[in-house]
Amino acid sequence: DAGVTQSPTHLIKTRGQQVTLRCSPISGHKSVSWYQQVLGQGPQFIFQYYEKEERGRGNFPDRFSARQFPNYSSELNVNALLLGDSALYLCASSLAPSQRARVGELFFGEGSRLTVL
Amino acid sequence: EDQVTQSPEALRLQEGESSSLNCSYTVSGLRGLFWYRQDPGKGPEFLFTLYSAGEEKEKERLKATLTKKESFLHITAPKPEDSATYLCAVQAGGGTSYGKLTFGQGTILTVHP
Repeated sequence: DAGVTQSPTHLIKTRGQQVTLRCSPISGHKSVSWYQQVLGQGPQFIFQYYEKEERGRGNFPDRFSARQFPNYSSELNVNALLLGDSALYLCASSLAPSQRARVGELFFGEGSRLTVL
Repeated sequence: EDQVTQSPEALRLQEGESSSLNCSYTVSGLRGLFWYRQDPGKGPEFLFTLYSAGEEKEKERLKATLTKKESFLHITAPKPEDSATYLCAVQAGGGTSYGKLTFGQGTILTVHP
């Protein structure tokens, strides 16, 4: 079975530009979460989406937004990029509690490495 | 605010030399504590979930334990392929999004042959 897939794997942008990152969850998973991982640190929670609705948001500015599609895939958008946005962006999928899932068992993709120059 | 602190930051072992990694946490109503393994340039790989104090889980050379304030990841007779960053994370109870984990900064484990 395919795991969580993310695209693109690497990208380079300049300050002020906008970026869109994409994620396809594991088949059967209805929840998608986004994390930012700066080099040398643990992942930091950005958003969680379930059934196309935002179910959780971390401490990130409004420049960060996301959405989930009917097929449960998701996009993360970041506007007005700053140098500090350079990081590995991770998408994780999980079963929803209604699917008798064990909470917190998130399955991560390989990430999208964003470099802002 | 939920907080997770891992120690040591880095650990170098000889092959076969057993040791433990520590994860101290503060959380408002623990829903679960999680251990992940992360290889360079890759996403975290799920290892264990622990739900209550006293619980233990094992997988090959790894064993995770949980108390009310900390968790340990014991590595028995490690091999070079166990080299990776090990991440600890907690999920709070109550109204916290079940997609939200609070991670520690990780312990970088290097096992020399």
